Amino acid sequence: DAKTTQPNSMESNEEEPVHLPCNHSTISGTDYIHWYRQLPSQGPEYVIHGLTSNVNNRMASLAIAEDRKSSTLILHRATLRDAAVYYCIRKSGGSNYKLTFGKGTLLTVNP
Amino acid sequence: DAGVIQSPRHEVTEMGQEVTLRCKPISGHDYLFWYRQTMMRGLELLIYFNNNVPIDDSGMPEDRFSAKMPNASFSTLKIQPSEPRDSAVYFCASSLLRDSEAFFGQGTRLTVV
Repeated sequence: DAKTTQPNSMESNEEEPVHLPCNHSTISGTDYIHWYRQLPSQGPEYVIHGLTSNVNNRMASLAIAEDRKSSTLILHRATLRDAAVYYCIRKSGGSNYKLTFGKGTLLTVNP
Repeated sequence: DAGVIQSPRHEVTEMGQEVTLRCKPISGHDYLFWYRQTMMRGLELLIYFNNNVPIDDSGMPEDRFSAKMPNASFSTLKIQPSEPRDSAVYFCASSLLRDSEAFFGQGTRLTVV
């Protein structure tokens, strides 16, 4: 039970922004939202994570809803290299450290 | 640092044989994870270690699977005897702290015929 819901697939055009949604309606107060992506034939790669506030890094931005029941990963300018499966993961802040992957969203970037 | 290093990258073995997958985590990382990925089940956490001690092995499918971490720089995942349904890509990952990002290796593609 990955405890998050994501669309199976999304499509974008190169150099356009991409908004990848994630629903985590049963999130608890200590759960972090992590995003990883997996490029073809590679291991998963960390993208970003947050708890309550919006977060930015060199790869992406993470917008977390005020009620924390959903979040959106934002790629500001998609490139062909961003084509991957994107996983939204709800990670417990408790003592049991687990990163549980769901099915993710397959992002296709068109040239 | 070269990142998480897994070996071999590919392994083909016959059913019934013992298979050992190896992982070298990033130096200084206290957490090590073993994942398995298949088309049917996606990415599954098999086991994770903290400071070389197994913390949660609830994802290990059965007694044929065992994992060890004899020191901070080396871990093995062993399958004995192997079966065709064990065919998958096995990933090792490490992280510095409990809540920090996890770094994954390139994976070992295991095929059991």
